[in-house]
Amino acid sequence: QVQLQESGPGLVEPSQTLSLTCSVSGGSISGGNYYWTWIRQHPGKGLEWIGYIYYSVTTAYNPSLRSRVIISADTSKNQFSLKLSSVSAADTAVYYCASRKAFRDSTHFDLWGRGTLVTVSS
Amino acid sequence: SYELTQPPSVSVSPGQTANITCSGDKLGDKYASWYQQRPGQSPVLVIYQDNTRPSGIPERFSGSNSGNTATLTISGTQPMDEADYYCQAWDSNTGVFGTGTTVTVL
Repeated sequence: QVQLQESGPGLVEPSQTLSLTCSVSGGSISGGNYYWTWIRQHPGKGLEWIGYIYYSVTTAYNPSLRSRVIISADTSKNQFSLKLSSVSAADTAVYYCASRKAFRDSTHFDLWGRGTLVTVSS
Repeated sequence: SYELTQPPSVSVSPGQTANITCSGDKLGDKYASWYQQRPGQSPVLVIYQDNTRPSGIPERFSGSNSGNTATLTISGTQPMDEADYYCQAWDSNTGVFGTGTTVTVL
């Protein structure tokens, strides 16, 4: 069974780059079976889709974040990563990695990591 | 950008039915999914493809989607169903979540 685990710094300074990694166990990220996804949740607020990577090279991003986001994959480590540049306090959130099966009509996120809180502050 | 709107809160008595709506332009032409999030926990998928329950989700959870509104129905609501619920759909290859609804079981 596929499991996801986020990791990365819990504190990032304003204007710096937020970097998080999602480690995948029980499945290969290079198999083309899933869209590997990042989602965030501001404190006390709703969920916001950030973007995904598929087959280690195809990406899609939320238009509101597209200019600052890069999602990449490291198949040798079976991990995918999120980089969000020029962060501000508005980027303080719990960041989740999640997966969506890659077959027709699959539009849902069936697996989620536990989430990791990232605070942007000096 | 595409928006999905939910009522901020829904209150229900134990054993009664809770209906949570999710409104979006021509939402019925898309697949809607629903997630349950208890405090301090990750979201859990409870309904996908409008009305399909994943394995392990109780039968009291059901869904429908038509026109501009998707609805999550919890029949025979139990105290353990008290949580935040989010709808989700796709528009132009962008994932969109609803504004979220807090279900209180009084």
